Formats: sequence, structure tokens, C-alpha cells
Amino acid sequence: DQQVKQNSPSLSVQEGRISILNCDYTNSMFDYFLWYKKYPAEGPTFLISISSIKDKNEDGRFTVFLNKSAKHLSLHIVPSQPGDSAVYFCAASARGNAGNMLTFGGGTRLMVKP
Amino acid sequence: KAGVTQTPRYLIKTRGQQVTLSCSPISGHRSVSWYQQTPGQGLQFLFEYFSETQRNKGNFPGRFSGRQFSNSRSEMNVSTLELGDSALYLCASSLQAHSYEQYFGPGTRLTVT
Repeated sequence: DQQVKQNSPSLSVQEGRISILNCDYTNSMFDYFLWYKKYPAEGPTFLISISSIKDKNEDGRFTVFLNKSAKHLSLHIVPSQPGDSAVYFCAASARGNAGNMLTFGGGTRLMVKP
Repeated sequence: KAGVTQTPRYLIKTRGQQVTLSCSPISGHRSVSWYQQTPGQGLQFLFEYFSETQRNKGNFPGRFSGRQFSNSRSEMNVSTLELGDSALYLCASSLQAHSYEQYFGPGTRLTVT
């Protein structure tokens, strides 16, 4: 039972345009959400996060939106750059976890074309 | 500040053998988590240690175990290796007991033949 889902395995956008990556979750106990970027042969790199008490968080070109009623979050990258080409993972953490445990989605491969 | 380091980076083992992977967290970080990444199952949580105590464990068989030392370095061990254990094993560290952000190492690529 996948608690965090990224339904688009891949996404291709033109340089300079907006990239929108989507993520859905089922566990209503999740109270913190994160996006990671991963290049081949490297570990995931933390990008941006959002608490469930907010609906938007912005950091430079990256903005994450959270819609709790729909159990949906999205990552917007504006403008997209070729260096953004990577696999993006959505992750969630649940309130009441005894420790630090992340549940990951399956990832979306973003390709930004020059 | 140095990032999370993992050794070895690549490893080839035979079915039935055992393997030990090592992780050194970011200096000052006390929580270490381990994840397994495979093409079919994605990134899955294995276990997490804080102050030498296992706090969380994922849904993996008992062949997977770990430990943490007083300097926060961690090891994970897989006994009686199976072909399906071939994966990228990622270690992540966090500063505190309840830090949502985790910082990942480059991983150890384990191939079981």
C-alpha cells in the first residue's frame, strides 16, 4: 500500500518554462512534506519542505504547494533550467513518529530541454 | 562541513554471504537512518538510530540489522544475502531527535550474484 504516490514517472519541459511535479498521499497523519532531487550515482539532495500548517512555501525558483483537503502537494520550478534535470522525490513524515522516518514516493524524472 | 560519507561505494557479494556497510553522519548529527532503493520498490525505510538506540524499523526481514556507535557512526549488516538484496543503500543523518530534514550520503551500491 503506497502511502505517497507520484503518478507521473517522467516529465519533459522546455528551458525557461514552469515545471510542475505532483505528489499525492493517503496517510492523514503526515504533517511534514519534503522534496528531494537525485542525480545518478548520488544520494538525494534536500530541496524544500512544508509543514501541514502552511499551504505554500517558497525558496528561490522552487515553490511547494500543499492542499490538505485533497491530500496533494506540488513542486513548481520557475524558470526551469537544464541543470534541474534529475529525479525528484516527494517524501512525508508522520506526526507521532518516535523518530525520523520518511516515506517516499516513487519519483518523477524531470528533463529540461535547452 | 563534510557531508554524510558511506563506505564502501560499491560492493559485489555472492548469495548466502553477509555484508556490512558503514555510514559517518554530518558532524554533530546524532540521528542516522538507512534506506534501500531498488527500481521496483523505490526508496524504502530500513531503520533509524539515535544515541545508539534503534527508534524505528521498516518492514524488512531480520536479516537486516544495524547499530550505532557512541560517535554516531552507524553500520548496517545484511546476512544470508539474496539476489533481491541488490540495491543502493542510502544513509541519512539528522541533527536532532525530531528533525524532519534528512541529509543523504552518496549510497553504497550492493550487487548480489
